[in-house]
Amino acid sequence: GAGVSQSPSNKVTEKGKDVELRCDPISGHTALYWYRQRLGQGLEFLIYFQGNSAPDKSGLPSDRFSAERTGESVSTLTIQRTQQEDSAVYLCASSLGTTQYFGPGTRLLVL
Amino acid sequence: SQELEQSPQSLIVQEGKNLTINCTSSKTLYGLYWYKQKYGEGLIFLMMLQKGGEEKSHEKITAKLDEKKQQSSLHITASQPSHAGIYLCGADGNLGDDKIIFGKGTRLHILP
Repeated sequence: GAGVSQSPSNKVTEKGKDVELRCDPISGHTALYWYRQRLGQGLEFLIYFQGNSAPDKSGLPSDRFSAERTGESVSTLTIQRTQQEDSAVYLCASSLGTTQYFGPGTRLLVL
Repeated sequence: SQELEQSPQSLIVQEGKNLTINCTSSKTLYGLYWYKQKYGEGLIFLMMLQKGGEEKSHEKITAKLDEKKQQSSLHITASQPSHAGIYLCGADGNLGDDKIIFGKGTRLHILP
């Protein structure tokens, strides 16, 4: 029984570069969430996918951030023209009901 | 590896009553976070505790981190229907460990 997986586990990039973060949810989970946690802060909600409904993008901090999800499978979070303040751990979670299951996160460092 | 255990798993209280949820860590906590989750919504950050003995409040919710930094409690005073949901504690992993870990959550129901 695989859980939520994320890749890469760590990413170091230069300011201005684009990055893509991947999330593989638990099979059958209709809901998928992206969060980020910056150093010393709580989780910050980014975006929420539920089935075929339009995603809730209300948490995306700027238009440099976007996410896609194909059906009820893999999701990709893309950050364009990365800035140093984008450095954080990006967490993905999936759920079928109320309980969210979290992946291990991707630690992003923008130099 | 570090683990967070929450208790109780589920809690049903009458509106207006006080309640407490506990989060116990197997290792020293360097950062402890409390979140609230409602169905179909993302986690809502409530508060963060870092120092032993620290206590923070947000409206009618108070959280404490004990002196040894291995247990935190979340206390709700005069509960309201809006407090219903799942409360989750989370922690930064120990120094050198990149993982963020979570408890399994406490499901809170408020009876009118």
